[in-house]
Amino acid sequence: EAGVTQFPSHSVIEKGQTVTLRCDPISGHDNLYWYRRVMGKEIKFLLHFVKESKQDESGMPNNRFLAERTGGTYSTLKVQPAELEDSGVYFCASSLLEGQPQHFGDGTRLSIL
Amino acid sequence: AQSVTQLDSQVPVFEEAPVELRCNYSSSVSVYLFWYVQYPNQGLQLLLKYLSGSTLVKGINGFEAEFNKSQTSFHLRKPSVHISDTAEYFCAVSRTGGGNKLTFGTGTQLKVEL
Repeated sequence: EAGVTQFPSHSVIEKGQTVTLRCDPISGHDNLYWYRRVMGKEIKFLLHFVKESKQDESGMPNNRFLAERTGGTYSTLKVQPAELEDSGVYFCASSLLEGQPQHFGDGTRLSIL
Repeated sequence: AQSVTQLDSQVPVFEEAPVELRCNYSSSVSVYLFWYVQYPNQGLQLLLKYLSGSTLVKGINGFEAEFNKSQTSFHLRKPSVHISDTAEYFCAVSRTGGGNKLTFGTGTQLKVEL
């Protein structure tokens, strides 16, 4: 089966611009998670979807971040406007059921100049 | 809330030597425990997990970990490492009973040398 796919793999934008990251979970996985790793720090949870509903968005840094999962399939994470501190690697993960191990994508490396 | 401490940021080891990567956690509720590995330019791959049952858990690539509830530890071990084990290793926990977001440690970079 295909794994979790993230696009793009790298993105370099200037401060103030908008960027949209995409995640395609494993087919049939209702649970989708976004995480972020800022350089030198731990990987931190951003939010959790169950199908198209936001189950937990307690990790979202601020209102410049908007996550959607229309139709309960792929998800997008938009950053608008981007700030320097948003640089890092954004990971997406999915699982079939809550409590089951999460499968991760390769991440999107976001650089804000 | 949960927290995870990985005591070593870098661990150098010679090929065929044993290795232990340390992980301690703190939580007021029951947790599941995981070790993930990230090879260069790749995503996170699950090495092993502890959900319940036997406290000694075997994973892929010859790795194993032991859950010690009294010491709140979940150290990762391998009796003989290979060059290909060079990677970053992450310990993570999630609470049982729903809403299983992962809380990660800061990672341990394992460097295997000839």
